[in-house]
Amino acid sequence: GDSVTQMEGPVTLSEEACLTINCTYTATGYPSLFWYVQYPGEGLQLLLKATKADDKGSNKGFEATYRKETTSFHLEKGSVQVSDSAVYFCALSPTGNQFYFGTGTSLTVIP
Amino acid sequence: NAGVTQTPKFQVLKTGQSMTLQCAQDMNHEYMSWYRQDPGMGLRLIHYSVGAGITDQGEVPNGYNVSRSTTEDFPLRLLSAAPSQTSVYFCASSYSINIQNTEAFFGQGTRLTVV
Repeated sequence: GDSVTQMEGPVTLSEEACLTINCTYTATGYPSLFWYVQYPGEGLQLLLKATKADDKGSNKGFEATYRKETTSFHLEKGSVQVSDSAVYFCALSPTGNQFYFGTGTSLTVIP
Repeated sequence: NAGVTQTPKFQVLKTGQSMTLQCAQDMNHEYMSWYRQDPGMGLRLIHYSVGAGITDQGEVPNGYNVSRSTTEDFPLRLLSAAPSQTSVYFCASSYSINIQNTEAFFGQGTRLTVV
């Protein structure tokens, strides 16, 4: 079935370090791929998305590229800030009426 | 614009009690859904609705009921709470039933503990 495998956390980085959170997926057809972020005490918010192969989603300095050949959608940021501390969820939508989420990766950025 | 509002934020129930988690959105969204978030398992879909009067089961529907009498509201009912239902529950909505191409908005969550 459809599923998402996400890099285990927690991840702790110093401010201005580079971030990569790995995400791979299994799906039939051509799913859309998403990264959602959950800040402490809040619900999930859409960070970025890509709807077809080779698309690059980007927002707030974060990027992820839809790689169909490697079934991956890794999240990257060149220089993290303390305000990026949150839980990041990779997700896919194969049919349009539900998401399949990864387990989430907790990121803490220290000054 | 309130977005997606969930109540209550926290709840403790005894085994066998019933309760309703409320979810309301003011964005006139067609699609609404309920997820539960458990450690090490991510979010899993419980039930969803593609419009008023229409509901369907997700991945983990057992022990939960839903109804959609209005576009705005999508309550989740636990008929007889069990410790296995201890979780954080999120309600989500989106404008289109095709969520591949539209953003989903999530509520702040309800943390439920069943003792």
